[in-house]
Amino acid sequence: SYVLTQPPSVSVAPGQTARITCGGNNIGSKSVHWYQQKPGQAPVLVVYDDSDRPSGIPERFSGSNSGNTATLTISRVEAGDEADYYCQVWDSSSDHPGWVFGGGTKLTVL
Amino acid sequence: QVTLKESGPVLVKPTETLTLTCTVSGFSLSNARMGVSWIRQPPGKALEWLAHIFSNDEKSYSTSLKSRLTISKDTSKSQVVLTMTNMDPVDTATYYCARIHRVDTFGGVIDYFDYWGQGTLVTVSS
Repeated sequence: SYVLTQPPSVSVAPGQTARITCGGNNIGSKSVHWYQQKPGQAPVLVVYDDSDRPSGIPERFSGSNSGNTATLTISRVEAGDEADYYCQVWDSSSDHPGWVFGGGTKLTVL
Repeated sequence: QVTLKESGPVLVKPTETLTLTCTVSGFSLSNARMGVSWIRQPPGKALEWLAHIFSNDEKSYSTSLKSRLTISKDTSKSQVVLTMTNMDPVDTATYYCARIHRVDTFGGVIDYFDYWGQGTLVTVSS
């Protein structure tokens, strides 16, 4: 089955740029979505189809995807960005297609 | 305004069958561009996809749980139901339903989860 690998944690100071990676075999050929989840809350879509933002999501959130790595970039990080972030793809490459989530990355704002 | 709300038991015993209902509003389950998915999250752990269903009754299940899951919908009631048999303590988790939005892009059709319910915590214990 398809595996998405995320770093368990990323730390960044306020105002700096955070980059959260999501590794997968030839992930550049897939459409990657990113979700933000704050403690005790449901996930919220922040980036879809590699780099598109839903309405209401700040331009500080952006995404890219190439080769074996997709990246969520958060510019000018704020304290309110502290959360868990998950990447997601639809894996149609196996005999049993399905949605796959990464293991999640905890973003800490120092 | 799109909303999804999960309902079901908060406590089930081992070996019992869990039945969860997702009641949606703000969109129709007959909309060809929309589907509903179930996802769960054990305490302190990552998200795990379970199943999804679309308006044309297209269904898909997690490979590892396929034998235990059944997803169905009642369009007239705006509800999607998930049943999971033979519950075990390791199935203790918050269970979410989410809307799947299907869109056409240059590269083809893509789906993503644009709205989520608040989740419901299900504990499996005797």
